[in-house]
Amino acid sequence: QSALTQPASVSGSPGQSITISCTGTSSDVGNYNLVSWYQQHPGKAPKLMIYEVSKWPSGVSNRFSGSKSGNTASLTISGLQAEDEAIYHCCSYVGGSTLEFGGGTKLTVL
Amino acid sequence: QPQLQESGPGLVKPSETLSLTCTVSGGSISSSSYYWGWIRQPPGKGLEWIGNIYYSGSTYYNPSLKSRVTLSVDTSKNQFSLKLTSVTAADTAVYYCARRGSSWFLDYWGHGTLVTVSS
Repeated sequence: QSALTQPASVSGSPGQSITISCTGTSSDVGNYNLVSWYQQHPGKAPKLMIYEVSKWPSGVSNRFSGSKSGNTASLTISGLQAEDEAIYHCCSYVGGSTLEFGGGTKLTVL
Repeated sequence: QPQLQESGPGLVKPSETLSLTCTVSGGSISSSSYYWGWIRQPPGKGLEWIGNIYYSGSTYYNPSLKSRVTLSVDTSKNQFSLKLTSVTAADTAVYYCARRGSSWFLDYWGHGTLVTVSS
């Protein structure tokens, strides 16, 4: 069982915005601005979408944005597109030189 | 942009040792800015961080796997490796190698390799 909690699934229609949450504790997500988000299409390796809570790696669309409030980090995708359908994983530094992933959220574009 | 490629046996017997190597091209594994690591994903499940290694040999392990995992690095070959001992069916997963930035994000990943534990 993951220490970081994500909803199992979310859905949205093309053009809409959706938000995926990632809830930890005051010892991990709440204590460090070291949350990252990964997109994973079926049969493919994860791809870094957001790092340090809200920063974009080169080449990632600004339709993807990250934020954090207290012990919960969030990934928002605006202007939903069919190609955004994938599994999204959150990840956080949790202290003690350790990384933790959430359980993953399947995004369905209706 | 670096490219990472996992290699190793796709089938390992229970109680034996799983060994994988990640070859890095398009960049030096000896860069002072990055760490190198392993992540696994059991079929149909989420990602699990296994550990990271620095080119100097410093290691960081997932506490839940620490007793069975050893990471090593060969800078002359631009490779790093994973050994997981006493494997069981629960260790069946796709194993990914990845580059880790200083802020604990994983920016470049290999394609992954499926390792099945079965007799």
